[in-house]
Amino acid sequence: DADVTQTPRNRITKTGKRIMLECSQTKGHDRMYWYRQDPGLGLRLIYYSFDVKDINKGEISDGYSVSRQAQAKFSLSLESAIPNQTALYFCATAPSGVFSFGELFFGEGSRLTVL
Amino acid sequence: GESVGLHLPTLSVQEGDNSIINCAYSNSASDYFIWYKQESGKGPQFIIDIRSNMDKRQGQRVTVLLNKTVKHLSLQIAATQPGDSAVYFCAETHGGGGFKTIFGAGTRLFVKA
Repeated sequence: DADVTQTPRNRITKTGKRIMLECSQTKGHDRMYWYRQDPGLGLRLIYYSFDVKDINKGEISDGYSVSRQAQAKFSLSLESAIPNQTALYFCATAPSGVFSFGELFFGEGSRLTVL
Repeated sequence: GESVGLHLPTLSVQEGDNSIINCAYSNSASDYFIWYKQESGKGPQFIIDIRSNMDKRQGQRVTVLLNKTVKHLSLQIAATQPGDSAVYFCAETHGGGGFKTIFGAGTRLFVKA
């Protein structure tokens, strides 16, 4: 089983619909992230969380919200999806602590298409 | 502003040859660099990292070189194999924690049999 699991893996929706992407992890990491990947643009950070009560905006948070329901779960919501949110979304985790330098552990991605 | 860029979007090499993937970064405060490999349909996976107090680090068939003078990073893959075909991302971070990680656009490596 994957250490970082994303659901759904693929989703097609219509403009204006609310969408939730879910992420769960069994790595025991405190830190969780949501990234968006677009062709030719690498990965861009949407939101991140360092523990259950901590939520922080990344570089492209507009149009998105998140919820950290538990240490192991971090969900990303699009309240009213628009076509330019069509992308591949990745959840990632990282351990905290003095020996954590920044390596991220990624899920397998959720491909979202907004028509 | 901060940016991490790659010199070539695609690279095609013959199986058995060595591959070199280059990356430029602009933030002189970056203190930690990582190369990730992304295979089709999967998330990026860690390959190798290097801290800013080093200029070379070797792993199994991979070597990362860091030139802080010109803010350049490279990934060398020895004896490239078909399984090395993937998109490779360089990423830089500073301050630890991953939340300041900036990814380059990626280089797609094709390995010809």
